[in-house]
This record gives sequence, structure tokens and C-alpha cells, in this order.
Amino acid sequence: SQQGEEDPQALSIQEGENATMNCSYKTSINNLQWYRQNSGRGLVHLILIRSNEREKHSGRLRVTLDTSKKSSSLLITASRAADTASYFCATPASGTYKYIFGTGTRLKVLA
Amino acid sequence: NAGVTQTPKFQVLKTGQSMTLQCAQDMNHNSMYWYRQDPGMGLRLIYYSASEGTTDKGEVPNGYNVSRLNKREFSLRLESAAPSQTSVYFCASRTGAGLAGGRGDTQYFGPGTRLTVL
Repeated sequence: SQQGEEDPQALSIQEGENATMNCSYKTSINNLQWYRQNSGRGLVHLILIRSNEREKHSGRLRVTLDTSKKSSSLLITASRAADTASYFCATPASGTYKYIFGTGTRLKVLA
Repeated sequence: NAGVTQTPKFQVLKTGQSMTLQCAQDMNHNSMYWYRQDPGMGLRLIYYSASEGTTDKGEVPNGYNVSRLNKREFSLRLESAAPSQTSVYFCASRTGAGLAGGRGDTQYFGPGTRLTVL
């Protein structure tokens, strides 16, 4: 399979706690993206980090990228019930128009 | 701006029936994609269109055909539906005109079509 892998597959936390999910990929990349999917909906783009960046912030989101380990992490700080969703990483397949999605982390934030 | 729209939202087919899933985007994007999502499998690419007039196979193209009717519309056709095609289908379009990994790499997704084949 060309798919990236994410862990954990599922995560359940209390409101106010931080949530961390990880993504590993297999090939060299120019960037890595994170998407959120609410139940029954399409994916929504959250943040893109380029290969020459090590860390990027957007609101309560913090993304890190370690190209030597071919891995990325997404941290959601001070989580809210509305953050309950599945989170996917995606990487471009070099030399193509295609993207490779991870299998996703299902996050549940308990109020 | 409607973004990416898909029709229908739900569909039930019998084995052997055919249908076309419609997708349209109003963001003037060049590249469009069809994915299927199955439990625990993430998204798998069926077909994509890098630009108007071109289409290419993705990871799981068997049993499907596509048409890039114009820049806005990209349809997915199941000629003879099989139970293995029961899935949620998502259409997406992408900013940027070049290869994946360049500038404008954000994909915009439609709400999905939930297809059941009996």
C-alpha cells in the first residue's frame, strides 16, 4: 500500500487536554498537509507544512515535521468537544498530480 | 461560492446497475479528483484529472470510468455496480496548476456520496 500511517488510530481525551497524533510517510516530500473530517462530511484542509519547515502554528494547531524520520505530528491544544473528528495527513506523490492520504486518527473530545 | 458540490448525496443500487456520480466546482481549479473512503482504509484515489481534457487512473480504477466534461465538472461512472463498490465517494479539486507538491496544494472536498450496492 502507498498509504501513510497514522497513530493512534483512535484517541479519546477530556475537554481542555491536548491531543497529539502522528503521521509517518514513505517517500521524500515537498510538503505535508493535515485535514479534518467531521462525521458524515468531506475533508477540510487545516494546515500545510513545507519540507524546509520544522514547525508551524495555526491557532490551537501546532504541526511539526521531521523529514529525517519521515514523520509529522499534529498537536491540538486546549481541545474542545467541537474538535471531535477524524484527522488525516496527506503527502504529494513526487512527480505526479496525486496525493497519498494516511488512514486517519479518530479523535473524541469528551465534554 | 458553493465550492465543490456532489450529487446525489445517497444512492442504493442493485448489483449490475449503472450510475453516474456528478461533481462540480466553482473555484476555477485545474485539477480534480475522485476518491473512495472505506472504514479503516483512509482515502483511496480512483481517478484524477490534472486539467480539462485529461484523465488518469489512480490507485483503484477498476470498475469505474470518468469524464472531465469541462473545467467545472468531473463525473464518475459505475457501469455495472458490484457490492465491493459500496463506499463513500468524495470529489475534490485543487488549487495550483502544476504537479502535486508545488504551490497551491490545498484540496477542497465535496460532501460525499454514500453508495450502497446490494
